[in-house]
Order: sequence, then C-alpha cells, then structure tokens
Amino acid sequence: EDQVTQSPEALRLQEGESSSLNCSYTVSGLRGLFWYRQDPGKGPEFLFTLYSAGEEKEKERLKATLTKKESFLHITAPKPEDSATYLCAVLPNTGGFKTIFGAGTRLFVKA
Amino acid sequence: DGGITQSPKYLFRKEGQNVTLSCEQNLNHDAMYWYRQDPGQGLRLIYYSQIVNDFQKGDIAEGYSVSREKKESFPLTVTSAQKNPTAFYLCASSMGTLQPQHFGDGTRLSIL
Repeated sequence: EDQVTQSPEALRLQEGESSSLNCSYTVSGLRGLFWYRQDPGKGPEFLFTLYSAGEEKEKERLKATLTKKESFLHITAPKPEDSATYLCAVLPNTGGFKTIFGAGTRLFVKA
Repeated sequence: DGGITQSPKYLFRKEGQNVTLSCEQNLNHDAMYWYRQDPGQGLRLIYYSQIVNDFQKGDIAEGYSVSREKKESFPLTVTSAQKNPTAFYLCASSMGTLQPQHFGDGTRLSIL
C-alpha cells in the first residue's frame, strides 16, 4: 500500500536553530513529490516539486532534497514567521490522479 | 489576482440536512479536487475532476456528491448520508496531475 510518513509530528526550534523535516514514502514508483506550507485556518501553499532522486530545490531559508526513499526539508536559521505545518505529498507512478499526503510536521520557531 | 475562492468559511449542518460548499477558480486550470482534513491526518481525497462534466471518486466519496458544469466551478454537497461530516474541507486545482495543486482557504463544517 502506498504510504507517506512525516517526522517528527512537531518540532520546536529557537530562532536561528537550523533543522530538518523528514518525509519517507513507500510507493510503487514516484512521479513527483511536493512540499506545501499550511498556516492555521488556511489552505496549503505550494513550496517545491521534486521529480527524481538527487534533485534539490531552494527558496529563501528552505531547501528540499530527494532520495529514492525519502525527502528532507532543511530549514536554515529559521525565523518565527517560518512557524507553520509543512506537508509532504507524493504522486505515485500508477498513472492515476491521486496524490498521497502525509500528516504534516508542525514547526514552532520561538524568538 | 488569480486564485481559488471557497465559501462559506464556516458552515453548520443540522441533522438530515444536505449542505453545499462552493469552490470557484479563475486560474484556468482543468483539474479540480476536494479534500477533507482531520486533525492528525493527511488530506484525504473526496472527488477529482479533470474536465467539465466528468469526475471520479476518491478514497472517501461515500456521503458526498459533486458536479462540474463549468470549468471554473466544482461545488461539493455533503449529504445526510455522511454521518461524520465535521472537518475542514479544502478545494484545489492544478494544470494537470503532475503540476502542484493550488488550494483555497477552506470551509470548516460543523454539526449543530
């Protein structure tokens, strides 16, 4: 069964304390992996798409990487405004339309 | 500005009542989706539509219905057959299945 697992469930950081969020997946082939940011009471906002192992994408303090089994979202010197839930989603290579979402990692950054 | 508009933001349902959640997009996207989000769980797909007048069931379609009469609109009806409707409902659209999805700001549905 296709599955996406995110860890940790919650992460508390001090401002400036770099860390990484993990997204591990078990799917029958990968067509794409997506990272989203979700603020409380809002819809997810797209961050990155990764298509193949070894690929990396960067945006401000965020960097996403991809291997054959997992993806990491690295946060460098986070600020309080980076506090949000980060969602990982996988599009399996089954030819269908269904994207599988992880439960997310809630990030809290304290000033 | 292009985007997805969901309404209402909050909705309350009485026993035995059907309610309809609105989703409109002006991004000219072909694909539209409805998801349900519950605390501690990933988004779960309710329905998907790739073109007008065509839609497919997702993992949790029981108790829900949709229509796609216009490219811009994809309303979701939560019927009285859905016994546990309390959740945060998200509508999304994309250029295609390989493209990232753009989300609205959701409708929170509760039972009176």
